[in-house]
Amino acid sequence: DIQMTQSPPSLSASIGDRVTITCRASQGIRNYLAWYQHKPGKVPQLLIYGASTSLPGVPSRFSGSGSGTDFTLTISSLQPEDVATYYCQKYNSAPRTFGQGTKVEIK
Amino acid sequence: EVQLLQSGAEVKKPGATVKISCRVSGYRFTDYYIHWVKQAPGKGLEWMGLVDPEDGGVRYAENFQGRVTIIADMSTDTSYMQLSSLISDDTAVYYCATGTAAAGINNYYAMDVWGQGTTVTVSS
Repeated sequence: DIQMTQSPPSLSASIGDRVTITCRASQGIRNYLAWYQHKPGKVPQLLIYGASTSLPGVPSRFSGSGSGTDFTLTISSLQPEDVATYYCQKYNSAPRTFGQGTKVEIK
Repeated sequence: EVQLLQSGAEVKKPGATVKISCRVSGYRFTDYYIHWVKQAPGKGLEWMGLVDPEDGGVRYAENFQGRVTIIADMSTDTSYMQLSSLISDDTAVYYCATGTAAAGINNYYAMDVWGQGTTVTVSS
């Protein structure tokens, strides 16, 4: 099975900072990579699919890039409401493995 | 509007079996897979498995193989996830989710619609 490795496990940044989260697949998955935002006590929300396509309504400060094995989620200017854990997930085939998550906090 | 409505919280003893439901509305039930995802306290999201409501085909994550059963009932537009031989580590919130055509192309869809979650507590 393909493993998904996210880094860092957590980060603390200031309001307005640029934040980058990386996700690496152990084998190529083309662009079948999704990013989710999960806030405590809430339901996970899909932000990006196809590695770089944002869902309608997702703030433009969120962007995704990459293909094959290496992917990135970028928050261009961190806002207080972005405090959450972010997960990548492969969806080209089963098992639809998630990364371990990256917890984003405000410094 | 596409919605997934899950059954309520459960408290079970070790060794018991839990069965959670996920009723779909707002689209044709057979159009999209239903996935089940676990989140244990302080842990990340863990994909458990999926069912294809069109033919009942299933795929399970290795960690749950042998203990989980996922089915799709076309008569009620409802998916069920049954987990047996419960242990304390099964205490978690369980989500059903689906991926629609708004979240992908060519039948490859990320999970854009989620149920509200069902809390399962395993305690003696």
